[in-house]
Amino acid sequence: AQSVTQLGSHVSVSEGALVLLRCNYSSSVPPYLFWYVQYPNQGLQLLLKYTSAATLVKGINGFEAEFKKSETSFHLTKPSAHMSDAAEYFCAVSDTTGFQKLVFGTGTRLLVSP
Amino acid sequence: DTGVSQDPRHKITKRGQNVTFRCDPISEHNRLYWYRQTLGQGPEFLTYFQNEAQLEKSRLLSDRFSAERPKGSFSTLEIQRTEQGDSAMYLCASRPLGRVEDKNIQYFGAGTRLSVL
Repeated sequence: AQSVTQLGSHVSVSEGALVLLRCNYSSSVPPYLFWYVQYPNQGLQLLLKYTSAATLVKGINGFEAEFKKSETSFHLTKPSAHMSDAAEYFCAVSDTTGFQKLVFGTGTRLLVSP
Repeated sequence: DTGVSQDPRHKITKRGQNVTFRCDPISEHNRLYWYRQTLGQGPEFLTYFQNEAQLEKSRLLSDRFSAERPKGSFSTLEIQRTEQGDSAMYLCASRPLGRVEDKNIQYFGAGTRLSVL
């Protein structure tokens, strides 16, 4: 069975500081990996995805993530936080074949202070 | 492309009542997923449709839950005899079938928030 662990239910940064949200996954087969963002009372929006091509993946809004197989990690980073980045972030894993349900972590709430 | 639409956005009901939610996927998206998200948790998979066929159901989907997708277009999720533990956000997602570049990108609706009193 696949699973995702997100370390830190809350992360606080100052505007302009580096953002680092941690995600470790468990999968018996090579997975697809995703980061989604959720703003209050809204659905999930895809930030970026790893699908077995380049290990450094660039997404929207200046976010990127690096797939490290040896560490089973897929951490999300952004060089400089903006107030509008404050939201809930979810890491997810899926199979590469079959019906490919997404298995999500418990989420990390990013707080950005002025 | 108008996105995935879910209705209603909010539903308040009394314990024991039946409720039904609707999801309209992006046009021509053959695959449809339902997820449930409780407070402080990530979404959890409930069920999957490919066209009108329900191909996978989670153990979370008890006998009180039923989902349909007639004609492979919109989908409904019904909960019978609601319980307080059913209070959650119910999310629908869709994706197209057969596009190599798709790589399992699921497009989510805004969800239906259910409160069972």
